Amino acid sequence: DAGVTQSPTHLIKTRGQHVTLRCSPISGHKSVSWYQQVLGQGPQFIFQYYEKEERGRGNFPDRFSARQFPNYSSELNVNALLLGDSALYLCASSKTGDYGYTFGSGTRLTVV
Amino acid sequence: SQELEQSPQSLIVQEGKNLTINCTSSKTLYGLYWYKQKYGEGLIFLMMLQKGGEEKSHEKITAKLDEKKQQSSLHITASQPSHAGIYLCGAVRLMNRDDKIIFGKGTRLHILP
Repeated sequence: DAGVTQSPTHLIKTRGQHVTLRCSPISGHKSVSWYQQVLGQGPQFIFQYYEKEERGRGNFPDRFSARQFPNYSSELNVNALLLGDSALYLCASSKTGDYGYTFGSGTRLTVV
Repeated sequence: SQELEQSPQSLIVQEGKNLTINCTSSKTLYGLYWYKQKYGEGLIFLMMLQKGGEEKSHEKITAKLDEKKQQSSLHITASQPSHAGIYLCGAVRLMNRDDKIIFGKGTRLHILP
């Protein structure tokens, strides 16, 4: 079975641009969470979606948004990119949104 | 202050030696995850602990959650080069209807041959 897949694996963007990151959960998993991990830190919670509904939001500006599709895949969008948005963005899926999280390999975003 | 503290921040051990990584929470832990991360890559699930006093083992790695459910330790026996990486503890935090994970900053483990 395929694990959590994220695309792209690496991305370079310029300040002020917009970016869309994609995540496909494990088959049968209905919940997707997004985390940001800057260099030298642990992952920080951004969003959680379950059954296309936002269930939780971390302390991130409104430039960050996400959505979940009927097939449970998800997109994370970041507008007006800042240098500080450079990070590894991790997606995690679980069956119900509580416990049993499996993480993807992440998307490395570099903002220049 | 950090809600979840990991110690040490980094660790260098000789291959074959034992080591312990600690994770301390400022709040009662409803659940505690241990993940391993290779530099710049995704998180690999190691173990999850939920009950006070619980202990789980997988191969040469043992994790424990104390009775008060505020501290966890990860112990590696007879370390190998494959154990090198970043070890992250993550505390389950309840939201309105679901949970999120609050992570520590990680412990960077280097194994010397």
